[in-house]
Amino acid sequence: DAKTTQPTSMDCAEGRAANLPCNHSTISGNEYVYWYRQIHSQGPQYIIHGLKNNETNEMASLIITEDRKSSTLILPHATLRDTAVYYCIVRVAYRNTGNQFYFGTGTSLTVIP
Amino acid sequence: GAGVSQSPSNKVTEKGKDVELRCDPISGHTALYWYRQSLGQGLEFLIYFQGNSAPDKSGLPSDRFSAERTGGSVSTLTIQRTQQEDSAVYLCASSEADGEPYEQYFGPGTRLTVT
Repeated sequence: DAKTTQPTSMDCAEGRAANLPCNHSTISGNEYVYWYRQIHSQGPQYIIHGLKNNETNEMASLIITEDRKSSTLILPHATLRDTAVYYCIVRVAYRNTGNQFYFGTGTSLTVIP
Repeated sequence: GAGVSQSPSNKVTEKGKDVELRCDPISGHTALYWYRQSLGQGLEFLIYFQGNSAPDKSGLPSDRFSAERTGGSVSTLTIQRTQQEDSAVYLCASSEADGEPYEQYFGPGTRLTVT
């Protein structure tokens, strides 16, 4: 079952903010939203996570709607090195099976010079 | 410090052969995860270890797949009688613990090609 839905691809001009949306309408109260990105031929890299409140770190900001059914990852000043596939993930904790990340197909972000 | 390492980086094998993929997690990380990524696809969760135990193995695609972890550190993923559909990049990740929230650190992956 898809836990999150994201647009397949997006473009962003270099130096502009990149806003990547994600829907997670079935999220439950104790599930965090995580964002990772994968640059070609590398393993995924952690970006940010959040539960209810908006979050900001040195890489990005995460805006979570009040009903928690969607979120937006913001890269404030996109660079060419930000070209990657961005995954929005809801972590699900099962009592007997531990913690699983469901990675969808993500959003392929292309930063254009 | 050292990150998650995987070996080999590339493996080409003939259909029907067995292969073993290795993951060295970050020292001290108790949780370890295996994922598979087929060409142009997202990551598919395979199995999770907390210490040496894998509470649930239902994510493994078939009974040809098995995984073990020893000493709470190194893990191996074994694929028996490989098939062409097993061709993919196999990624390993580790995290400090299984609590919330936490961050998974990924290795560079092993690219498996079954001919």
